[in-house]
Amino acid sequence: NAGVMQNPRHLVRRRGQEARLRCSPMKGHSHVYWYRQLPEEGLKFMVYLQKENIIDESGMPKERFSAEFPKEGPSILRIQQVVRGDSAAYFCASSPAGAGFGYEQYFGPGTRLTVT
Amino acid sequence: GQQVMQIPQYQHVQEGEDFTTYCNSSTTLSNIQWYKQRPGGHPVFLIQLVKSGEVKKQKRLTFQFGEAKKNSSLHITATQTTDVGTYFCAGSGGSNYKLTFGKGTLLTVNP
Repeated sequence: NAGVMQNPRHLVRRRGQEARLRCSPMKGHSHVYWYRQLPEEGLKFMVYLQKENIIDESGMPKERFSAEFPKEGPSILRIQQVVRGDSAAYFCASSPAGAGFGYEQYFGPGTRLTVT
Repeated sequence: GQQVMQIPQYQHVQEGEDFTTYCNSSTTLSNIQWYKQRPGGHPVFLIQLVKSGEVKKQKRLTFQFGEAKKNSSLHITATQTTDVGTYFCAGSGGSNYKLTFGKGTLLTVNP
């Protein structure tokens, strides 16, 4: 049973380019969360999605950032016109239901984004 | 909004010493989860606590949930080099889906 998959694992972008991060949840999981982690920092919640729905995007910057989880295919976190401050590790996690119901979150290996 | 604070931020111990990290929430939690992240790795679920005053053990790890369900602790007895990593607590309260993570405690162990 494959775990949560993220790709690419490492992504280098120049300032102003677009970054597209992909996340395939565990089989049977319909809840996806995206987090950002800066060096020696905790995990900062960005967005929570279910299939075809954004449930909570309160942690995501209103400009340049967007997320989707289509009916078919992986969840995608898109960052337009990247800036150096976007450099971070981006983790995706999935669960079979909302974490508040007592379900653990399974994390993917993360995408390390570097903006030059 | 809900805030989860974790202390200490760093802890360096000699192998064989004990280690404790503490987690405090600004609001009452419905449950709290603990995760471990090895250097360069991703967070891995350790355990969940739900009941007031709950204590759970996993070999050398002891997890506690406070009576008021606003604080929690993780204690490791006789640390080993394999315990190295960052330990995060994450609480859920009010909403039914979102976990709020503490900033974590980075544990380093000197062999």
